[in-house]
Amino acid sequence: QLVESGGGLIQPGGSLRLSCAVSGFTVSSTYMSWVRQAPGKGMEWVSITYSGGATYYADSVKGRFTISRDSSKNTLYLQMNSLRAEDTAMYYCARAGDNVWDSWLDPWGQGVLVTVSS
Amino acid sequence: DIQMTQSPSSVSASVGDRVTITCRASQGISHYLAWYQQKPGKVPKLLIYSISTLQSGVPSRFSGSGSETDFTLTISSLQPEDVATYYCQKYDIVPYSFGPGTTVDVK
Repeated sequence: QLVESGGGLIQPGGSLRLSCAVSGFTVSSTYMSWVRQAPGKGMEWVSITYSGGATYYADSVKGRFTISRDSSKNTLYLQMNSLRAEDTAMYYCARAGDNVWDSWLDPWGQGVLVTVSS
Repeated sequence: DIQMTQSPSSVSASVGDRVTITCRASQGISHYLAWYQQKPGKVPKLLIYSISTLQSGVPSRFSGSGSETDFTLTISSLQPEDVATYYCQKYDIVPYSFGPGTTVDVK
Protein backbone atom coordinates (compact mmCIF):
# COMPACT_ATOMS: atom_id res chain seq x y z
CA GLN A 1 0.00 0.00 0.00
CA LEU A 2 1.18 3.49 -0.83
CA VAL A 3 -0.22 6.59 0.84
CA GLU A 4 0.75 10.05 -0.37
CA SER A 5 0.58 13.22 1.68
CA GLY A 6 1.93 16.74 1.69
CA GLY A 7 -0.03 18.32 -1.11
CA GLY A 8 -1.89 21.59 -1.00
CA LEU A 9 -2.07 25.11 -2.31
CA ILE A 10 1.27 26.84 -2.76
CA GLN A 11 2.27 30.13 -4.34
CA PRO A 12 4.43 30.22 -7.46
CA GLY A 13 8.10 30.03 -6.53
CA GLY A 14 7.33 28.15 -3.35
CA SER A 15 8.40 24.71 -2.17
CA LEU A 16 6.55 21.60 -1.11
CA ARG A 17 7.58 18.12 -0.06
CA LEU A 18 5.40 15.17 -0.95
CA SER A 19 5.59 11.95 1.04
CA CYS A 20 4.63 8.43 0.03
CA ALA A 21 4.40 6.06 2.98
CA VAL A 22 4.88 2.48 1.88
CA SER A 23 3.71 -0.72 3.50
CA GLY A 24 4.00 -4.28 2.28
CA PHE A 25 7.42 -3.93 0.72
CA THR A 26 10.72 -2.18 1.41
CA VAL A 27 11.10 1.11 -0.39
CA SER A 28 14.90 0.97 -0.31
CA SER A 29 15.12 -2.34 -2.18
CA THR A 30 12.89 -1.49 -5.11
CA TYR A 31 12.49 1.13 -7.79
CA MET A 32 10.05 3.92 -6.96
CA SER A 33 8.57 6.55 -9.22
CA TRP A 34 6.47 9.70 -9.22
CA VAL A 35 3.92 10.41 -11.93
CA ARG A 36 1.65 13.44 -12.21
CA GLN A 37 -1.56 14.31 -13.97
CA ALA A 38 -2.63 17.89 -14.54
CA PRO A 39 -6.39 18.49 -14.25
CA GLY A 40 -8.13 17.00 -17.26
CA LYS A 41 -4.83 15.97 -18.85
CA GLY A 42 -2.85 12.80 -19.42
CA MET A 43 -0.19 11.11 -17.33
CA GLU A 44 3.30 12.59 -17.11
CA TRP A 45 6.22 10.59 -15.76
CA VAL A 46 8.15 12.78 -13.31
CA SER A 47 10.97 10.87 -11.61
CA ILE A 48 12.38 7.51 -10.60
CA THR A 49 14.84 6.29 -8.00
CA TYR A 50 16.55 2.96 -8.46
CA SER A 51 17.34 0.70 -5.54
CA GLY A 52 21.04 1.38 -6.09
CA GLY A 53 20.47 5.08 -5.56
CA ALA A 54 20.45 6.47 -9.09
CA THR A 55 17.77 9.09 -9.74
CA TYR A 56 16.29 10.42 -12.95
CA TYR A 57 13.90 13.23 -13.80
CA ALA A 58 11.71 14.50 -16.58
CA ASP A 59 13.19 17.55 -18.28
CA SER A 60 10.23 19.60 -17.07
CA VAL A 61 11.26 19.19 -13.41
CA LYS A 62 15.00 18.62 -13.62
CA GLY A 63 16.90 20.93 -11.29
CA ARG A 64 13.76 21.81 -9.34
CA PHE A 65 12.51 18.46 -7.99
CA THR A 66 14.42 15.91 -5.93
CA ILE A 67 13.34 12.34 -5.29
CA SER A 68 14.59 10.60 -2.18
CA ARG A 69 13.67 7.93 0.33
CA ASP A 70 14.00 7.26 4.03
CA SER A 71 14.57 3.59 4.77
CA SER A 72 13.84 4.01 8.47
CA LYS A 73 10.39 5.36 7.68
CA ASN A 74 9.91 3.27 4.54
CA THR A 75 8.85 6.45 2.80
CA LEU A 76 9.48 8.01 -0.59
CA TYR A 77 9.68 11.76 -1.00
CA LEU A 78 9.48 14.35 -3.74
CA GLN A 79 10.95 17.73 -2.83
CA MET A 80 9.52 20.31 -5.19
CA ASN A 81 11.17 23.74 -5.38
CA SER A 82 10.59 26.79 -7.57
CA LEU A 83 7.05 25.65 -8.21
CA ARG A 84 5.21 26.92 -11.26
CA ALA A 85 1.57 27.05 -12.23
CA GLU A 86 2.21 24.24 -14.71
CA ASP A 87 3.23 21.96 -11.83
CA THR A 88 -0.40 21.93 -10.69
CA ALA A 89 -1.42 18.30 -10.80
CA MET A 90 -2.36 15.17 -8.96
CA TYR A 91 0.88 13.49 -7.97
CA TYR A 92 1.04 9.71 -7.69
CA CYS A 93 3.79 7.55 -6.29
CA ALA A 94 4.15 4.05 -7.64
CA ARG A 95 6.39 1.04 -7.27
CA ALA A 96 8.50 0.63 -10.41
CA GLY A 97 9.70 -2.93 -10.09
CA ASP A 98 12.99 -4.34 -8.88
CA ASN A 99 15.06 -4.23 -12.05
CA VAL A 100 15.43 -2.20 -15.21
CA TRP A 101 13.54 -4.85 -17.14
CA ASP A 102 10.41 -4.83 -14.95
CA SER A 103 9.92 -1.13 -14.33
CA TRP A 104 6.20 -1.02 -14.99
CA LEU A 105 4.24 0.88 -12.37
CA ASP A 106 2.30 -1.16 -9.85
CA PRO A 107 0.88 -0.51 -7.35
CA TRP A 108 -0.02 3.18 -7.28
CA GLY A 109 -0.90 5.44 -4.40
CA GLN A 110 -4.20 7.27 -4.27
CA GLY A 111 -2.59 10.54 -5.30
CA VAL A 112 -2.10 13.92 -3.70
CA LEU A 113 -3.17 17.22 -5.23
CA VAL A 114 -0.72 20.08 -5.64
CA THR A 115 -2.09 23.45 -6.70
CA VAL A 116 0.32 26.23 -7.56
CA SER A 117 -1.48 29.54 -7.62
CA SER A 118 -1.28 33.04 -6.20
CA ASP B 1 13.84 11.20 -26.19
CA ILE B 2 11.46 8.60 -27.53
CA GLN B 3 7.93 9.91 -28.12
CA MET B 4 4.82 7.83 -27.54
CA THR B 5 1.65 8.37 -29.55
CA GLN B 6 -1.75 6.71 -29.35
CA SER B 7 -4.67 6.40 -31.69
CA PRO B 8 -7.48 7.02 -31.71
CA SER B 9 -7.71 9.70 -29.04
CA SER B 10 -11.22 8.50 -28.27
CA VAL B 11 -13.49 5.69 -29.32
CA SER B 12 -17.15 4.97 -28.69
CA ALA B 13 -18.37 1.44 -29.16
CA SER B 14 -21.29 -0.79 -28.25
CA VAL B 15 -21.26 -3.40 -25.52
CA GLY B 16 -19.81 -6.57 -26.98
CA ASP B 17 -17.79 -4.79 -29.66
CA ARG B 18 -14.12 -5.38 -30.22
CA VAL B 19 -12.05 -2.29 -29.45
CA THR B 20 -8.46 -1.78 -30.61
CA ILE B 21 -6.12 0.94 -29.40
CA THR B 22 -2.76 1.56 -31.03
CA CYS B 23 0.39 2.87 -29.37
CA ARG B 24 3.45 3.85 -31.35
CA ALA B 25 6.99 4.62 -30.17
CA SER B 26 9.20 6.92 -32.22
CA GLN B 27 12.06 4.41 -31.79
CA GLY B 28 12.21 0.75 -30.90
CA ILE B 29 11.59 -0.05 -27.25
CA SER B 30 11.85 -3.84 -27.47
CA HIS B 31 9.27 -5.37 -25.12
CA TYR B 32 9.28 -2.57 -22.53
CA LEU B 33 5.67 -1.50 -22.97
CA ALA B 34 2.87 -1.38 -20.41
CA TRP B 35 -0.81 -0.44 -20.57
CA TYR B 36 -2.78 1.26 -17.80
CA GLN B 37 -6.48 1.81 -17.32
CA GLN B 38 -7.78 4.89 -15.54
CA LYS B 39 -11.47 4.98 -14.80
CA PRO B 40 -13.04 8.41 -14.25
CA GLY B 41 -11.90 9.87 -10.94
CA LYS B 42 -9.83 6.82 -10.07
CA VAL B 43 -6.20 5.85 -9.72
CA PRO B 44 -4.49 4.36 -12.78
CA LYS B 45 -4.31 0.58 -12.76
CA LEU B 46 -1.76 -1.65 -14.48
CA LEU B 47 -3.41 -3.85 -17.10
CA ILE B 48 -0.58 -5.30 -19.16
CA TYR B 49 3.21 -5.33 -19.03
CA SER B 50 5.91 -6.62 -21.35
CA ILE B 51 3.58 -5.94 -24.30
CA SER B 52 1.24 -8.85 -23.66
CA THR B 53 1.39 -10.16 -20.08
CA LEU B 54 -1.86 -9.59 -18.23
CA GLN B 55 -1.54 -8.33 -14.68
CA SER B 56 -3.14 -10.63 -12.14
CA GLY B 57 -6.88 -10.13 -11.93
CA VAL B 58 -7.27 -8.43 -15.29
CA PRO B 59 -10.10 -9.96 -17.35
CA SER B 60 -9.03 -12.08 -20.28
CA ARG B 61 -10.97 -9.90 -22.72
CA PHE B 62 -7.97 -7.57 -22.55
CA SER B 63 -4.94 -8.47 -24.63
CA GLY B 64 -1.80 -6.80 -25.86
CA SER B 65 0.42 -7.36 -28.86
CA GLY B 66 3.11 -5.78 -30.97
CA SER B 67 6.85 -5.26 -30.95
CA GLU B 68 9.55 -2.61 -31.09
CA THR B 69 7.56 0.45 -32.21
CA ASP B 70 3.97 -0.63 -32.81
CA PHE B 71 1.72 -1.96 -30.10
CA THR B 72 -1.95 -2.75 -29.68
CA LEU B 73 -4.35 -3.06 -26.78
CA THR B 74 -7.48 -5.01 -27.64
CA ILE B 75 -10.69 -5.38 -25.69
CA SER B 76 -12.33 -8.39 -27.30
CA SER B 77 -15.84 -7.73 -26.02
CA LEU B 78 -16.41 -4.28 -24.56
CA GLN B 79 -18.18 -4.16 -21.21
CA PRO B 80 -19.75 -1.15 -19.48
CA GLU B 81 -17.10 -1.30 -16.75
CA ASP B 82 -14.37 -0.81 -19.37
CA VAL B 83 -15.27 2.86 -19.75
CA ALA B 84 -11.92 4.51 -19.02
CA THR B 85 -8.90 6.20 -20.46
CA TYR B 86 -6.11 3.85 -21.50
CA TYR B 87 -2.45 4.83 -21.50
CA CYS B 88 0.57 3.08 -22.87
CA GLN B 89 3.95 3.66 -21.25
CA LYS B 90 7.48 2.75 -22.22
CA TYR B 91 9.95 1.68 -19.57
CA ASP B 92 13.06 0.79 -21.53
CA ILE B 93 15.13 3.85 -20.58
CA VAL B 94 14.32 7.12 -18.90
CA PRO B 95 12.22 9.11 -19.41
CA TYR B 96 9.49 6.49 -18.96
CA SER B 97 7.03 8.41 -21.12
CA PHE B 98 3.32 7.80 -21.42
CA GLY B 99 1.18 8.02 -24.50
CA PRO B 100 -1.45 10.78 -24.52
CA GLY B 101 -4.26 8.36 -23.72
CA THR B 102 -7.29 6.91 -25.46
CA THR B 103 -10.73 7.42 -23.98
CA VAL B 104 -13.12 4.50 -24.42
CA ASP B 105 -16.83 5.09 -24.07
CA VAL B 106 -19.90 2.91 -24.48
CA LYS B 107 -22.57 3.97 -26.95
